[in-house]
Amino acid sequence: DAKTTQPTSMDCAEGRAANLPCNHSTISGNEYVYWYRQIHSQGPQYIIHGLKNNETNEMASLIITEDRKSSTLILPHATLRDTAVYYCIVRVMPDMRFGAGTRLTVKP
Amino acid sequence: NAGVTQTPKFRVLKTGQSMTLLCAQDMNHEYMYWYRQDPGMGLRLIHYSVGEGTTAKGEVPDGYNVSRLKKQNFLLGLESAAPSQTSVYFCASSYHTGGAGNTEAFFGQGTRLTVV
Repeated sequence: DAKTTQPTSMDCAEGRAANLPCNHSTISGNEYVYWYRQIHSQGPQYIIHGLKNNETNEMASLIITEDRKSSTLILPHATLRDTAVYYCIVRVMPDMRFGAGTRLTVKP
Repeated sequence: NAGVTQTPKFRVLKTGQSMTLLCAQDMNHEYMYWYRQDPGMGLRLIHYSVGEGTTAKGEVPDGYNVSRLKKQNFLLGLESAAPSQTSVYFCASSYHTGGAGNTEAFFGQGTRLTVV
């Protein structure tokens, strides 16, 4: 499986957009990019996923570069409740492995 | 619709004791997973299953055994618990599709295990 690299931590001001980068330079053609988050000590929660095209849902947007070697998760208007650890995963079924993730802190 | 349910939520074991963690899902998912999460760390895959009667090793399988006798249940066993197995254990399940699209995984709320 391809590996991902994420910054250890990031801060974001409440109400501003949070842009979380992920590097997956060894991704292969059939691997999808998934994002999950873990709030406090709860079970991880699915956010969004994509293959090539940019994706948007009610929670976030996912921007994947044309060469697919990196992606950015965008939370358009971060709130205090978005403070969590965000995991970027490159996945080919059925394997699903997590890295260390990015700890996002949203500040008032 | 309960989703993914883990039993028990908390447990304290003495070194050398055995126990089984139960994961149950009611979404008819083919894939199920067991992870452990140590303080300040990400999740590490212990074992997973792609269907009833099948299991496979993940990143950190040593010291654990699993069984998937029924599609809805995935059991994680510790035969002889060690303090190094003190952790939070998460179970997850997801659909199987032809590709990897739309395979959102659902997680349980975790089991906090302490081995003394």
